[in-house]
Amino acid sequence: DQQVKQNSPSLSVQEGRISILNCDYTNSMFDYFLWYKKYPAEGPTFLISISSIKDKNEDGRFTVFLNKSAKHLSLHIVPSQPGDSAVYFCAASARKSSGDKLTFGTGTRLAVRP
Amino acid sequence: DTEVTQTPKHLVMGMTNKKSLKCEQHMGHRAMYWYKQKAKKPPELMFVYSYEKLSINESVPSRFSPECPNSSLLNLHLHALQPEDSALYLCASSQVPTPQETQYFGPGTRLLVL
Repeated sequence: DQQVKQNSPSLSVQEGRISILNCDYTNSMFDYFLWYKKYPAEGPTFLISISSIKDKNEDGRFTVFLNKSAKHLSLHIVPSQPGDSAVYFCAASARKSSGDKLTFGTGTRLAVRP
Repeated sequence: DTEVTQTPKHLVMGMTNKKSLKCEQHMGHRAMYWYKQKAKKPPELMFVYSYEKLSINESVPSRFSPECPNSSLLNLHLHALQPEDSALYLCASSQVPTPQETQYFGPGTRLLVL
């Protein structure tokens, strides 16, 4: 049972344009969400997070939007750069029931074309 | 320094071998994690150590035995593994064992069981 889903396995975007990566979840107990970026032969790197009390969090070129009613979050990268090419994982946790356990999505491979 | 190191980078072992994976961090983090990642799948949590004590075991088979000798080190002892245990094993750490704390990942050990 995949509780966190990233339905697009890959995405290709032109440099300078916006990249939008989507994530859906099924567990209504999830209250904290994170995005990680992973380059080949490296471990995942934390990118940005959002608590369920917010609907938007911004950090430089990266913005995460949370729609709790739709159980959907998205990561916007503007403008996209070739160095952003990586696999992006969405992750979620339910602090009250799962403590410090993160549940990861299957990942979306982003390719930014020069 | 936000580095988590893992050794070895690659490991090939037979089903009768005993081997160990090592993870180290010097960030003063009190939570350390082992994840398993199969190809094209998300990382799956195996174990969590909180203040050097095992706090979460995600029903992992006993052929995987974690050990936390001190707050900076985390080992994963492997014995009588099966070919289906071949995967990327990721170690992570966080300041304290709550999901709001960023987990920093190591580069992983790619394990092949023959």
